[in-house]
Amino acid sequence: QVQLVESGGGVVQPGRSLRLSCTVSGFTFSRYGMHWVRQGPGKGLEWVAVIWYDGSKEYYAESVKGRFSISRDNSENTMYLQMNSLRGEDTAIYYCARGDENSLDHWGQGTLVTVST
Amino acid sequence: EIVLTQSPGTLSLSPGERATLSCRASQNINYNYLAWYQQKPGQAPRLLIYGAFRRATGIPDRFSGSGSGTDFTLTVSRLEPEDFAVYYCQQYDTSPFAFGPGTRVDIK
Repeated sequence: QVQLVESGGGVVQPGRSLRLSCTVSGFTFSRYGMHWVRQGPGKGLEWVAVIWYDGSKEYYAESVKGRFSISRDNSENTMYLQMNSLRGEDTAIYYCARGDENSLDHWGQGTLVTVST
Repeated sequence: EIVLTQSPGTLSLSPGERATLSCRASQNINYNYLAWYQQKPGQAPRLLIYGAFRRATGIPDRFSGSGSGTDFTLTVSRLEPEDFAVYYCQQYDTSPFAFGPGTRVDIK
């Protein structure tokens, strides 16, 4: 069955960096676009970024543009989110999700990122 | 950038009642690229509807989507106890693929 597992979350100080990973199984990873979505404490869903199935295109939410970078390794069935210059407002659960024409049909369980001194 | 608004913010209903949730876009959404998700506390969201009206795999037929252009609706024909949750719409026509703020459906 389709599985997505996020890792790499934790507590980090403002201004520092963190890299999240999303490792998938149960489907042909190289055929699908992949997304990151986050949810701050007690808040709604915020779309963060997408990467095309072949890595040829990337798009970002304005709130993370220039600080976050999405990438993927199709040989390893893994997607990444490099997060730099982290701020308090980046504190959230980060979900990876599979895109089917960019609707998100499968989700991981999320990894918590806390930006705090 | 397409901005989505959802109404009402909270819907208080009893099991067996009909729920009607609205999602309105600030500009036209092409190809009906509008999805609905359900999220329960402590869980990841789950895709319910894509393409405005197509049910995702395994979604019961009491869930239905309708609409086009800028106005979309999610209807739950008869609420089951497990349907009390938060519902989000999302457009995936144009980046950024934003979500609406959500509608909470709680037990009256």
